[in-house]
Amino acid sequence: QVQLQESGPGLVKPSETLSLTCTVSGYSISRGYYWGWIRRPPGKGLEWIGSVYHSGNTYDNPSLKSRVTISVDTSKNQFSLNLNSVTAADTATYYCAGHLTGLIDYWGQGTLVTVSS
Amino acid sequence: EIVMTQSPATLSVSPGERATLSCRASQSVSSNLAWYQHKPGQAPRLLIYGASTRATGIPARFSGSGSGTEFTLTISSLQSEDSAVYYCQQYNNWPPITFGQGTRLEIK
Repeated sequence: QVQLQESGPGLVKPSETLSLTCTVSGYSISRGYYWGWIRRPPGKGLEWIGSVYHSGNTYDNPSLKSRVTISVDTSKNQFSLNLNSVTAADTATYYCAGHLTGLIDYWGQGTLVTVSS
Repeated sequence: EIVMTQSPATLSVSPGERATLSCRASQSVSSNLAWYQHKPGQAPRLLIYGASTRATGIPARFSGSGSGTEFTLTISSLQSEDSAVYYCQQYNNWPPITFGQGTRLEIK
């Protein structure tokens, strides 16, 4: 059974970098799949942030204006999100996810990140 | 980018009745359309993929239809636990992966 678990700070100051890690269990991420991040701001809908292929190729949402870095660490079976220059608009529940096509097959439980001084 | 538009934004239906949720794509996504149910504090749950195929363990009262640009999720015989936000998502042409803005389903 594939399970994903997000970890990272729940509070980030404005203009700083939001950093989250997703640990995958039950599947070796080096075998394949895309691994990505999706968020849901309070009162809003789901927004895809970006994904990384097991080889390291990345794809991100142009709406985030190149503030996103997603990387994979196959030795730890983890992948990570860095979102720089955050503002209050980046306050959201962040989900890590796994997908083979664009259909999301696996979701983490989500972690709330608040941007505030 | 393919824009997904859902309607209505909020739907209030009595238990035992039927709910019909709509999703429109700004261009054809063929049948590469999924529906998710999202409850507070939980991960989104895949209900339907391929526009009309129920995911594993999803009750038969959930059904999906449509292709191209127009899609429908129907929930027959509503139960209290069906209260949630429902999202459609296209996976025909990515990146980016795009979701609708969601329909909040309230059970009266």
